[in-house]
Amino acid sequence: QKEVEQNSGPLSVPEGAIASLNCTYSDRGSQSFFWYRQYSGKSPELIMSIYSNGDKEDGRFTAQLNKASQYVSLLIRDSQPSDSATYLCAVKMTNFGNEKLTFGTGTRLTIIP
Amino acid sequence: EAGVAQSPRYKIIEKRQSVAFWCNPISGHATLYWYQQILGQGPKLLIQFQNNGVVDDSQLPKDRFSAERLKGVDSTLKIQPAKLEDSAVYLCASSLDSGGALETQYFGPGTRLLVL
Repeated sequence: QKEVEQNSGPLSVPEGAIASLNCTYSDRGSQSFFWYRQYSGKSPELIMSIYSNGDKEDGRFTAQLNKASQYVSLLIRDSQPSDSATYLCAVKMTNFGNEKLTFGTGTRLTIIP
Repeated sequence: EAGVAQSPRYKIIEKRQSVAFWCNPISGHATLYWYQQILGQGPKLLIQFQNNGVVDDSQLPKDRFSAERLKGVDSTLKIQPAKLEDSAVYLCASSLDSGGALETQYFGPGTRLLVL
């Protein structure tokens, strides 16, 4: 079982609609969860972090965390063509007492004008 | 505030050659990370430094990869000899403190390596 799993996509969403990105993780003790956006040929850019169960909103972005189900998601409202990118889910996992950030393979999102 | 700096941005070498990458973290950041990102995959941690000490190098192929952060600031990652499967983007990241649960990592632009 992969430590952090994401659907690789591609996920196509019409402009103005809600894009929903999902991620599951294997380490039940994980405490910190991150969503990074990566444009083609660029480095990952942090867009959201979440540490507590429930929803966290920042502008058009909402992160949702359910630790019991080991599930974290990212919703993008009013999707724009500029949101087209790969979205990486990252989870901090304890590895021999050290907190290590483990990434999923990413979901490629395309917003269709 | 200046971000994480990396050089070179691109490198093409032949297999069995050696190559070195340089990273300068955000000023004041104690923890520095090197990641390898193969096309179509997420970044994979190679090594983590806190100041000039190694915290985690469990996924570093030590027979060919080495890294140092001698003065606790900038860092160098070396591959010798390179293999075809080392073709990837090498990302450097830094975080302010000890890399704990609540800390955010900031990434540099990366170095694209192609091994022929």
